[in-house]
Amino acid sequence: NAGVMQNPRHLVRRRGQEARLRCSPMKGHSHVYWYRQLPEEGLKFMVYLQKENIIDESGMPKERFSAEFPKEGPSILRIQQVVRGDSAAYFCASSPGARELFFGEGSRLTVL
Amino acid sequence: ELKVEQNPLFLSMQEGKNYTIYCNYSTTSDRLYWYRQDPGKSLESLFVLLSNGAVKQEGRLMASLDTKARLSTLHITAAVHDLSATYFCAVALGNSNSGYALNFGKGTSLLVTP
Repeated sequence: NAGVMQNPRHLVRRRGQEARLRCSPMKGHSHVYWYRQLPEEGLKFMVYLQKENIIDESGMPKERFSAEFPKEGPSILRIQQVVRGDSAAYFCASSPGARELFFGEGSRLTVL
Repeated sequence: ELKVEQNPLFLSMQEGKNYTIYCNYSTTSDRLYWYRQDPGKSLESLFVLLSNGAVKQEGRLMASLDTKARLSTLHITAAVHDLSATYFCAVALGNSNSGYALNFGKGTSLLVTP
């Protein structure tokens, strides 16, 4: 049973470009969470999704950021018109609905 | 807003010594987690603490939870170099819409030296 798969692991974008980060949850998991980790900081909750639904996006910046978890395929975190402050590690976690989250290895975004 | 504070944020300790990392949180929650993160890696779940007085041990690490004091501790016994990592505590947000979303502390960077 493969773990939570994230890709790309590393992504470099220039200011103004778009970044798309993908997350495939563990098999059987229908809950997906996205977190952002800035250098020397803990993880900050961004959004919680179930298949085809955004359940809680209270941690998402109001502009430029969006997330989806379609019926088929991975969850995607999309950042439009990236700025240097978006440089961070973005972690996805999945859950079967039980009490534990399983984290992927993260996608590290660098904005030049 | 739920706040989670860890201390110390940085810890250098000698092999063989004991030490405790503290995690305080600001509002009631029924779940507290400890994670380990190695540089450039993901988070590895260490402990899930669900009730007041819960104590769990794995190898040289022991975690406890006092929900009345809103305090959890991670105790390290006879540290070894392999324990060098960053340790995070995380508390459930408590919003029913948040599922099991967690609020993390800033982490404690532990370095164990010979």
